[in-house]
Amino acid sequence: SQQGEEDPQALSIQEGENATMNCSYKTSINNLQWYRQNSGRGLVHLILIRSNEREKHSGRLRVTLDTSKKSSSLLITASRAADTASYFCATGGSNYKLTFGKGTLLTVNP
Amino acid sequence: GAVVSQHPSRVICKSGTSVKIECRSLDFQATTMFWYRQFPKKSLMLMATSNEGSKATYEQGVEKDKFLINHASLTLSTLTVTSAHPEDSSFYICSAQKPYRTGISNQPQHFGDGTRLSIL
Repeated sequence: SQQGEEDPQALSIQEGENATMNCSYKTSINNLQWYRQNSGRGLVHLILIRSNEREKHSGRLRVTLDTSKKSSSLLITASRAADTASYFCATGGSNYKLTFGKGTLLTVNP
Repeated sequence: GAVVSQHPSRVICKSGTSVKIECRSLDFQATTMFWYRQFPKKSLMLMATSNEGSKATYEQGVEKDKFLINHASLTLSTLTVTSAHPEDSSFYICSAQKPYRTGISNQPQHFGDGTRLSIL
């Protein structure tokens, strides 16, 4: 069953603006991960946040996790045209599997 | 680094053909590899989990005899789509996990670039 659900499904912004994507899930998790996929390519791991963490940073990326609301957000600051891609959240439970959401298509216009 | 190579990147073949897709971890030994299927503008659907030296674990609804998985070494897993038909046309992606120390659940997956399979 689908675990993560990203919101919005599509986001179009201008270069230099910040982009925020949200993810909601339904069951308990061990961690939540964000991935990026360029069109027709594989996924690239961006960041992993454990269930006992609330916020994590990596370069221009900031991820928050609220386990009480079962939600996470990915913020990309000072976006660039090269950030154009689909972004997926994936939840990891007690086993080794990841369950992916449907993704947010981000378009950054130059 | 964690580089995963998937080959071929694109296959176009006639109905009834069997197609083999390779997934290699180039700079690490992968205890576990995963095979996903992705439909256009959709999420990734896990098909099976491949563990070196043992039988693959298939997700519910995935035909074992249709999608043969072999994980003969710590760096190579293969997916064979047997007697492929047009409905098997899709984007297939593999991923691999590095060996873990204290638990597998908090490990990221490293993905290949996918294989676009088109059955005519």
